[in-house]
Amino acid sequence: GAVVSQHPSWVICKSGTSVKIECRSLDFQATTMFWYRQFPKQSLMLMATSNEGSKATYEQGVEKDKFLINHASLTLSTLTVTSAHPEDSSFYICSPVGDMSTDTQYFGPGTRLTVL
Amino acid sequence: LAKTTQPISMDSYEGQEVNITCSHNNIATNDYITWYQQFPSQGPRFIIQGYKTKVTNEVASLFIPADRKSSTLSLPRVSLSDTAVYYCLVGDFRGGGFKTIFGAGTRLFVKA
Repeated sequence: GAVVSQHPSWVICKSGTSVKIECRSLDFQATTMFWYRQFPKQSLMLMATSNEGSKATYEQGVEKDKFLINHASLTLSTLTVTSAHPEDSSFYICSPVGDMSTDTQYFGPGTRLTVL
Repeated sequence: LAKTTQPISMDSYEGQEVNITCSHNNIATNDYITWYQQFPSQGPRFIIQGYKTKVTNEVASLFIPADRKSSTLSLPRVSLSDTAVYYCLVGDFRGGGFKTIFGAGTRLFVKA
């Protein structure tokens, strides 16, 4: 399967600071990137979809100015949580998609964000 | 997007076969059915994918009836390490504009 990495794997920050999460597709080029958020004991919730070189499309209820997504290259996408608050504490998972003919979606290992 | 329905939780014992069924009544013609496994604090891991009939790999089998309105993931001889949440997803990844929406998943607990 495809190799996807996320960095950092976990981060603790103070309220009001910004945190950047990186997602890399290590063995394929990702034309599309999905970002998910998962709260404890809940399912994954799609936050936004981005295509390389264009602006991300956000799901209803997700603030685009708070969750900044950059997909500048085919192997790297970043999610920046700006002015983080305790309610932003969650598990963030990326899913890069490359070859649309494979019909298989792979996911990153996730990043645990804790905002104090 | 096809909505999926799965049992919220299941219990089993080591060595037993576990079958988890997913309903997807409004599956589209081009949709594939994919199952993922997720352990706590990890991303979902691909298990198996199919379009129709039966698919088998080294870890599981996937049974899909002719009408494709449901599918069953079969895990042979489960072990304690199979305790996880299992998600059934339906979609066509080949066309543009797709997005994967997760249902609630099935929490499988394997007991000794």
